[in-house]
Amino acid sequence: GAGVSQTPSNKVTEKGKYVELRCDPISGHTALYWYRQSLGQGPEFLIYFQGTGAADDSGLPNDRFFAVRPEGSVSTLKIQRTERGDSAVYLCASSFHSSEQFFGPGTRLTVL
Amino acid sequence: AQSVSQHNHHVILSEAASLELGCNYSYGGTVNLFWYVQYPGQHLQLLLKYFSGDPLVKGIKGFEAEFIKSKFSFNLRKPSVQWSDTAEYFCAVNAGEYGNKLVFGAGTILRVKS
Repeated sequence: GAGVSQTPSNKVTEKGKYVELRCDPISGHTALYWYRQSLGQGPEFLIYFQGTGAADDSGLPNDRFFAVRPEGSVSTLKIQRTERGDSAVYLCASSFHSSEQFFGPGTRLTVL
Repeated sequence: AQSVSQHNHHVILSEAASLELGCNYSYGGTVNLFWYVQYPGQHLQLLLKYFSGDPLVKGIKGFEAEFIKSKFSFNLRKPSVQWSDTAEYFCAVNAGEYGNKLVFGAGTILRVKS
């Protein structure tokens, strides 16, 4: 497909569990972004990769959150010891260098 | 820190009415400005963007936005809305000093009555 894809589309987990969310960016896009969107709010920046390295992780709320992009393409957002407050839609976006960002459909995470 | 304010959280219009959604941002330096739209059941899509040049920007589906630097505003307009414009609209700002991340407003839900 031509767009950004994210898996799974929905994830339900229990408090304290570990989850991984995957993002496949548009082919050739060098930059990849993770955002989180809570109900009634706009997307909130988490982390940004340029190639394989995290260029800006200032939005990660705490050390339970971690993201990787080992080969400069697919990225995984990892959340340890999930809490009910982590429930949100996690959005991934990609761009070619600093141009406009293209968003994926998101992963809806529910922590029970 | 940057912040973006969208003044109306819910707007209800009849078809053919004119639309203006307000957006103000807090950053005083050079900014890139965006409007994204999210139609029901779909993901965020870019409606229009401003990087530099003519402050009146035209986007898809008849939308336009005007960047007024002195007012720190980037309001979205459409002269005549259609039922298919029912969606949530987000204003976003990117400032070079803060890297490439986008800072979003809280969004405005537009419902167009047919």
